[in-house]
Amino acid sequence: GAVVSQHPSRVICKSGTSVKIECRSLDFQATTMFWYRQFPKKSLMLMATSNEGSKATYEQGVEKDKFLINHASLTLSTLTVTSAHPEDSSFYICSATTSNSYEQYFGPGTRLTVT
Amino acid sequence: DAKTTQPNSMESNEEEPVHLPCNHSTISGTDYIHWYRQLPSQGPEYVIHGLTSNVNNRMASLAIAEDRKSSTLILHRATLRDAAVYYCILRSNYKLTFGKGTLLTVNP
Repeated sequence: GAVVSQHPSRVICKSGTSVKIECRSLDFQATTMFWYRQFPKKSLMLMATSNEGSKATYEQGVEKDKFLINHASLTLSTLTVTSAHPEDSSFYICSATTSNSYEQYFGPGTRLTVT
Repeated sequence: DAKTTQPNSMESNEEEPVHLPCNHSTISGTDYIHWYRQLPSQGPEYVIHGLTSNVNNRMASLAIAEDRKSSTLILHRATLRDAAVYYCILRSNYKLTFGKGTLLTVNP
């Protein structure tokens, strides 16, 4: 099956700094990638959708200047949390799909802790 | 996106079948019924999906009511590795909208 990786798997950063999370499709070209956030014991919430070479589409309530998404190639999307604060601490999960696929392939997630 | 209703939690014994229900009374004609599951501290994984007919794959079976207002995910023989949160999702476009899901506990 299709494999999606995320790096890092966990990161701790200080308040006010920025953190970049990478999402890669390892064995397929992803036309679309998605970024989700999941707080403890809660469900996944879609943050944004990105297509290769175009600007990301953010869900309502998600600050695009705070959560910068770059989908520079068909195998890589990055999420940068800028000026992170403790309330940004969460589990960030990406997924990827192709134009002719019914399935989203999810990465293993990145646990961000902001101190 | 149309909403789904699932029980918060269910319990099963190992090697017994498990039937996970999902209600989606406001489903539209173009909505596909998707099931994903999420093991602890991992990203979700696809389980199965269907439109009108029952579906089988190596992981599970999906039984869809004739009026499509409900469906049931069937794990034929639960194992400890099936303990996870199971999400029933209606999909009409490229997005997946996750609800709260059902936490399945499998007892040895």
